[in-house]
Amino acid sequence: NAGVMQNPRHLVRRRGQEARLRCSPVKGHSHVYWYRQLPEEGLKFMVYLQKENIIDESGMPKERFSAEFPKEGPSILRIQQVVRGDSAAYFCASSPLRTDQETQYFGPGTRLLVL
Amino acid sequence: GDSVTQMEGPVTLSEEAFLTINCTYTATGYPSLFWYVQYPGEGLQLLLKATKADDKGSNKGFEATYRKETTSFHLEKGSVQVSDSAVYFCALSVNTGNQFYFGTGTSLTVIP
Repeated sequence: NAGVMQNPRHLVRRRGQEARLRCSPVKGHSHVYWYRQLPEEGLKFMVYLQKENIIDESGMPKERFSAEFPKEGPSILRIQQVVRGDSAAYFCASSPLRTDQETQYFGPGTRLLVL
Repeated sequence: GDSVTQMEGPVTLSEEAFLTINCTYTATGYPSLFWYVQYPGEGLQLLLKATKADDKGSNKGFEATYRKETTSFHLEKGSVQVSDSAVYFCALSVNTGNQFYFGTGTSLTVIP
């Protein structure tokens, strides 16, 4: 069974460019979560999506960041006009049910470097 | 609010030493508690979990007991190996929420 897949694994962007991060959840999982890990810090929740719906985006910056999980295809985290402070590891997780008592399965992450 | 406080690192131990990494939590609901491990350049892997008070999670020689009275979930291993070198994260989820709350991570280095 394939786990959570994320691509690219590493992404380099210059300030002002756009970054698109992709996440394919575990087969059969319909709940996706995005987290950001800044250097030397723990993971911080950004957004929780189900198919075609954003359920909770309380951890996502109001500007420049957006996320989607279409009916077909991977979940996408999009960062417009990147700045150096966006440099971080972005992890996607999926679960078969909502996260009450269920485990989230994490992908390997995308490490974004903004020059 | 919900949060996790984790023992700061880094921690350096000799092979076969005893390991304890402290974790305490604050939760508004009835949390499930988790330990995740992150090897260099990789994502998080679930190490163990406990879903109710007094439960003990265990895996690969690691153990942690869900202590409601002290709001703690300390990670222990009796004899660490070089291959245990990684960053360990304590986390919780509550039955009223949508996310995991993570501690800041504890880096462990085991030297031969």
